[in-house]
Amino acid sequence: KNQVEQSPQSLIILEGKNCTLQCNYTVSPFSNLRWYKQDTGRGPVSLTIMTFSENTKSNGRYTATLDADTKQSSLHITASQLSDSASYICVVRFNAGNNRKLIWGLGTSLAVNP
Amino acid sequence: NAGVTQTPKFQVLKTGQSMTLQCAQDMNHEYMSWYRQDPGMGLRLIHYSVGAGITDQGEVPNGYNVSRSTTEDFPLRLLLAAPSQTSVYFCASSYDVGGEQYFGPGTRLTVT
Repeated sequence: KNQVEQSPQSLIILEGKNCTLQCNYTVSPFSNLRWYKQDTGRGPVSLTIMTFSENTKSNGRYTATLDADTKQSSLHITASQLSDSASYICVVRFNAGNNRKLIWGLGTSLAVNP
Repeated sequence: NAGVTQTPKFQVLKTGQSMTLQCAQDMNHEYMSWYRQDPGMGLRLIHYSVGAGITDQGEVPNGYNVSRSTTEDFPLRLLLAAPSQTSVYFCASSYDVGGEQYFGPGTRLTVT
């Protein structure tokens, strides 16, 4: 069954600290993986996309990694800021010919405290 | 560009009432979709459209109808509102299926 699992479910860190969010998937055949950030009361916004051949990609203080062999991705946030408080959602694209869909994780809720 | 717009932002309905959630995008995206988001359930796909005149069901379509008469607009209709439809509804658009989704601000719907 195609699934995306994220951990931890929630996380609290102090401002300035680093953290890593995990995403494990069983989606096959895999096309790509995206991380979205969803601020409270708003729609998700894409942070980064990882394709099969990419291992690491950075977007400012956000660094995503992908291990296609173990089907794991991580999102590392460096020097966290209060504005990083949000839900982070991992989405994997399933692509089998004409059958293409997105498999959404449940998200990790991150709270950055002063 | 306004991106993806949704109206209304908040709505309260009584059981059995009907209403239409509006969604529009100005990015000329072919693919549009409706999701609902509930605590602990994540985003679930209700209906989607790959272009004007073409719609299809997602994973939770019951109780909802859609139409796509233009590329820009993708309204979601609730036929007979039920308390189980209390949720936050997001409209999204993208260049193609599985591409980067651009989300609207959401509609918070309460059915009493």
